[in-house]
Amino acid sequence: DQQVKQNSPSLSVQEGRISILNCDYTNSMFDYFLWYKKYPAEGPTFLISISSIKDKNEDGRFTVFLNKSAKHLSLHIVPSQPGDSAVYFCAASSGSSNTGKLIFGQGTTLQVKP
Amino acid sequence: DTEVTQTPKHLVMGMTNKKSLKCEQHMGHRAMYWYKQKAKKPPELMFVYSYEKLSINESVPSRFSPECPNSSLLNLHLHALQPEDSALYLCASSQGPPGANYGYTFGSGTRLTVV
Repeated sequence: DQQVKQNSPSLSVQEGRISILNCDYTNSMFDYFLWYKKYPAEGPTFLISISSIKDKNEDGRFTVFLNKSAKHLSLHIVPSQPGDSAVYFCAASSGSSNTGKLIFGQGTTLQVKP
Repeated sequence: DTEVTQTPKHLVMGMTNKKSLKCEQHMGHRAMYWYKQKAKKPPELMFVYSYEKLSINESVPSRFSPECPNSSLLNLHLHALQPEDSALYLCASSQGPPGANYGYTFGSGTRLTVV
């Protein structure tokens, strides 16, 4: 049972355009969502997060949108840069569980072409 | 210091060997985690330590033995592993106690190959 799903294994965009990465979840107990970026042979790097009490969080070129009714979140990168090429993981946690456990999606490989 | 440092970066071990993975952070984080990531798969939680005590064991086989000697160090002792245990082992830490919705800081991982 995959509680966090990233249905697009890969995405290719042109430099300067918008990249939109999508994530769906099934567990309504999730109340905190994070996006991580991962380069090969490195650990995931935290990008941005959002609490379930918000529907949008912005940090520079990165914006995360949360639609709780649809159990859907998305990461927008504007403008996209070649250095953004990496695997992006969506992750979710439930504060009420008090475990700190993150459930990760399968990841989306983003390629930004110069 | 805003990093989680993992050593070694690469490890090749035989099925009868005993080895240890090490993880260190000096950010004052009180929760530390071990995750396992197989190729083309998401990271999967193995263990959670909160305030130096093991709080979560995700039904991990006993050939993996975690240890938290102090608030800055986390070890993963390996013994009698199987080839299917080959993976990237990631250590992470978080500022608050588990469940407080703090973001993790991940280390770069140890790439383990069991032969």
